[in-house]
Amino acid sequence: QQPVQSPQAVILREGEDAVINCSSSKALYSVHWYRQKHGEAPVFLMILLKGGEQKGHDKISASFNEKKQQSSLYLTASQLSYSGTYFCGVTEKLTFGTGTRLTIIP
Amino acid sequence: GAGVSQSPRYKVAKRGQDVALRCDPISGHVSLFWYQQALGQGPEFLTYFQNEAQLDKSGLPSDRFFAERPEGSVSTLKIQRTQQEDSAVYLCASSSDRGGSTEAFFGQGTRLTVV
Repeated sequence: QQPVQSPQAVILREGEDAVINCSSSKALYSVHWYRQKHGEAPVFLMILLKGGEQKGHDKISASFNEKKQQSSLYLTASQLSYSGTYFCGVTEKLTFGTGTRLTIIP
Repeated sequence: GAGVSQSPRYKVAKRGQDVALRCDPISGHVSLFWYQQALGQGPEFLTYFQNEAQLDKSGLPSDRFFAERPEGSVSTLKIQRTQQEDSAVYLCASSSDRGGSTEAFFGQGTRLTVV
């Protein structure tokens, strides 16, 4: 079953922060996050493994709560290049979530 | 090769025609995934291999869709008697592990248009 992401879409001004949530009905051992720009293939952002860890690189970080079967992606001080659709991916067969379209405006 | 390669990049098929889409994963990658992405939608899981074993094909929309990976490397997705609703981008990805614990690398996709 496909993980549910929220919000479905968000528009931010450059420099603002955003949180994208991913919720699964299945037990999770890992969560992937990808960003896809229009007309391009998804690009890997990060992976979180079981253990409730947080990860980050640059101004993008994520958390994973395996008990709640949820993960959140945090984007701080957003840049124009962050625009795109974000997907979480779960289970060993890498099922993608419903997606969150992020638009950054100058 | 350096990345995941898919061919052809674009395919136009007449309704009823059979098509074959090829995916060359990164050398040595164990897991291989196929997705269908309709316009404006997210990638929908089709099927998944570990080496040559097809572990899950629950996402294949009908028995017209068939995927194989006979030697555990190159994979082919075949669609028989194509229909207009099959028009989409077909994405392939590969990863080095079995359990979803490592990054998946995506190919550029094959855009299939059925006319």
